[in-house]
Amino acid sequence: SQQGEEDPQALSIQEGENATMNCSYKTSINNLQWYRQNSGRGLVHLILIRSNEREKHSGRLRVTLDTSKKSSSLLITASRAADTASYFCATANSGGSNYKLTFGKGTLLTVNP
Amino acid sequence: DGGITQSPKYLFRKEGQNVTLSCEQNLNHDAMYWYRQDPGQGLRLIYYSQIVNDFQKGDIAEGYSVSREKKESFPLTVTSAQKNPTAFYLCASSMTAGSSYEQYFGPGTRLTVT
Repeated sequence: SQQGEEDPQALSIQEGENATMNCSYKTSINNLQWYRQNSGRGLVHLILIRSNEREKHSGRLRVTLDTSKKSSSLLITASRAADTASYFCATANSGGSNYKLTFGKGTLLTVNP
Repeated sequence: DGGITQSPKYLFRKEGQNVTLSCEQNLNHDAMYWYRQDPGQGLRLIYYSQIVNDFQKGDIAEGYSVSREKKESFPLTVTSAQKNPTAFYLCASSMTAGSSYEQYFGPGTRLTVT
């Protein structure tokens, strides 16, 4: 079953606006990762946040993690048309097999010029 | 250029035929993975390999087989036993097996079986 669930499923904004995507999960995690996928392409790793971290920045990306609520958010500031893509969260569960990432279904972000 | 290559980009097969998808990496990564993606869905793990000559089943291994004879290569065979083989297949690698490491993805192979 899917561990991470992104919300919303789809988001459409104007260039220059901020985009916020959320991810909820069910079990304890070791870390949470965000990936981007352009249409028909492979995934690209964006950022990894560990369970003992609360916030992380990378360029125009800001990721937060609230382990008490089992949720994470990805904020893209000053969006560009090139940010149009699907965004996936992937959780690495603590305990058990530590090889595995479990991906959500993704949020489709459309940035209109 | 360092990275992961998958070939071909598009593949068409008749039902009942086995088909092998290629995945090669020159990142010197120990671990490699195969995922399946269906429309509007996330990725589901088919098989993974932590090291040469070793591989384990993921969540949906039935109807698939793999080999890892070389560090650089991790081909996936979709057999006729796979009931719904039409999908987008993604290969990935990471420095070593373990969820603490980011995964690097290939461009994918879209398989259509009719």
